[in-house]
Amino acid sequence: EAQVTQNPRYLITVTGKKLTVTCSQNMNHEYMSWYRQDPGLGLRQIYYSMNVEVTDKGDVPEGYKVSRKEKRNFPLILESPSPNQTSLYFCASSSGGNEQFFGPGTRLTVL
Amino acid sequence: RKEVEQDPGPFNVPEGATVAFNCTYSNSASQSFFWYRQDCRKEPKLLMSVYSSGNEDGRFTAQLNRASQYISLLIRDSKLSDSATYLCVVNPPGRGKLQFGAGTQVVVTP
Repeated sequence: EAQVTQNPRYLITVTGKKLTVTCSQNMNHEYMSWYRQDPGLGLRQIYYSMNVEVTDKGDVPEGYKVSRKEKRNFPLILESPSPNQTSLYFCASSSGGNEQFFGPGTRLTVL
Repeated sequence: RKEVEQDPGPFNVPEGATVAFNCTYSNSASQSFFWYRQDCRKEPKLLMSVYSSGNEDGRFTAQLNRASQYISLLIRDSKLSDSATYLCVVNPPGRGKLQFGAGTQVVVTP
């Protein structure tokens, strides 16, 4: 089944404790992206990647890192999480055309 | 000003009725446009692309007005299952960038 998976789905952590949210797709897509969704603000792009070893900042990259060592994986790293990073996070992939396929989301709470 | 703006709603619609709503975008050079559907904080899913000539998919009709910089979505014969948040998505110039509106909530009532 073609899909985008994210882990963990839910995470409660404390300020400053490094965490990684994994994202994996099995559709051989070149393009992958991370978004955060907050009430009233919609989806905002954090980082995206056009292919392996090619990443670029989106609209809200501060406080986040990404890597793209393999085509299928695009982890999101929070080196020192803060409460303002409490949000719902989505990973997405596409073949560079139009439709983006989203993962199920990761609900992160930073205390 | 937000780059993609939507009326948040909610639009309360009786079952069987028609509902329509718009989305405005600020970048006149935007190339492609989409409507996504999102159910209760689940992942967004593509509903339909929006073409310059307008397009229809069953009960759903999408229109693009480049002169006024808005796209619209019309739902005919609303079903209870149409209750969701509809996200407007715009692809401005520059690869990899998609901009999402905050969504319009539609609630279809029996």
